[in-house]
Amino acid sequence: EAGVVQSPRYKIIEKKQPVAFWCNPISGHNTLYWYLQNLGQGPELLIRYENEEAVDDSQLPKDRFSAERLKGVDSTLKIQPAELGDSAVYLCASSPPWGPETQYFGPGTRLLVL
Amino acid sequence: AQSVSQHNHHVILSEAASLELGCNYSYGGTVNLFWYVQYPGQHLQLLLKYFSGDPLVKGIKGFEAEFIKSKFSFNLRKPSVQWSDTAEYFCAVKGNTPLVFGKGTRLSVIA
Repeated sequence: EAGVVQSPRYKIIEKKQPVAFWCNPISGHNTLYWYLQNLGQGPELLIRYENEEAVDDSQLPKDRFSAERLKGVDSTLKIQPAELGDSAVYLCASSPPWGPETQYFGPGTRLLVL
Repeated sequence: AQSVSQHNHHVILSEAASLELGCNYSYGGTVNLFWYVQYPGQHLQLLLKYFSGDPLVKGIKGFEAEFIKSKFSFNLRKPSVQWSDTAEYFCAVKGNTPLVFGKGTRLSVIA
């Protein structure tokens, strides 16, 4: 069974530029999560989707961050414009309806903003 | 709001030494507890989890964790570590809010 897929794995951009990350969850997993992981810290939730609906986006900085999961499968997280402090690893995770408490993580996208 | 505290930032052990990584959380209600591991260059993987029942939980690769409700703790243990256990270990708690992670403990096992 394929795991959570994320792309790109690495991204280097200049500040003020836009950037987008893509995630494809495990097949059959209806819940999708985006996390931010800063160096030396644990992951912090940005947004959670149940199918195509964003049910928890309270930690998403909505002035510059946006996310979508239009068909309830894959998802895109966007930052526009990026700031130096956005340099971090962006993780995607998914969980199935038959075991929603356990999340399965992708490899993450490491973003460096110069 | 619930929070998770991992006491050790970096632990260095020799092979065959015993391991105990501390994890405390702050939430008085029912919790689901997790330990995740991240090996160098790899993604986060579930090591073990506790939802209910026997407070001593066994996970993969010889790891176990004990839930002590009175101490709000969920410490991770392994009787004899191997070089391949070198990784970052994250404790996570889910109460009435989404999953909250600790800051992680980096384990280095030396020969």
